[in-house]
Amino acid sequence: GESVGLHLPTLSVQEGDNSIINCAYSNSASDYFIWYKQESGKGPQFIIDIRSNMDKRQGQRVTVLLNKTVKHLSLQIAATQPGDSAVYFCAESNQAGTALIFGKGTTLSVSS
Amino acid sequence: DAGVTQSPTHLIKTRGQQVTLRCSPKSGHDTVSWYQQALGQEPQFIFQYYEEEERQRGNFPDRFSGHQFPNYSSELNVNALLLGDSALYLCASSRGLNTEAFFGQGTRLTVV
Repeated sequence: GESVGLHLPTLSVQEGDNSIINCAYSNSASDYFIWYKQESGKGPQFIIDIRSNMDKRQGQRVTVLLNKTVKHLSLQIAATQPGDSAVYFCAESNQAGTALIFGKGTTLSVSS
Repeated sequence: DAGVTQSPTHLIKTRGQQVTLRCSPKSGHDTVSWYQQALGQEPQFIFQYYEEEERQRGNFPDRFSGHQFPNYSSELNVNALLLGDSALYLCASSRGLNTEAFFGQGTRLTVV
């Protein structure tokens, strides 16, 4: 699978590979983190969230990892599909339901 | 169950004009937030409304104002439009605190 250690604006993978998208957040007081997927011309779509009292959460084909020590968040997508091609944003807030601070997006391109 | 709906989808205005954008939250949601997303950038938080009051505000000038109605729908008003106000305006709704925010498709505003 393809992975990156630091945030990169683009990530290209082959269909079926695992993808890892990284995000560094800024506020050590942030308590809630969320990943969104945004396709061209559409609004951000919720993927998965995690609270600061957890370090890992799994969804369907996706896993979010939180490392509070280094203020790092990652999104792992298993068996990446062409339909996963989009811009992915991480976001943080002091509490779920309050103002979200978005990180720079990563454009994921999946080739078949 | 309709998700977050925004109107209009596209809008063209002239510099100096005023614009009103509308948002209906997801059923059961009572909190509405507005974000501005410039082309190729991440969304930026404008403000959040809960119980018809502005609860949080981001770093936007007073030209940006809003309102929330008793049915939880919301409007975003921008006065004295500038070319730099051209962006995708996103509305997100949530059910109080400690729940995830869901986004609408956005209103694409072009100022000429």
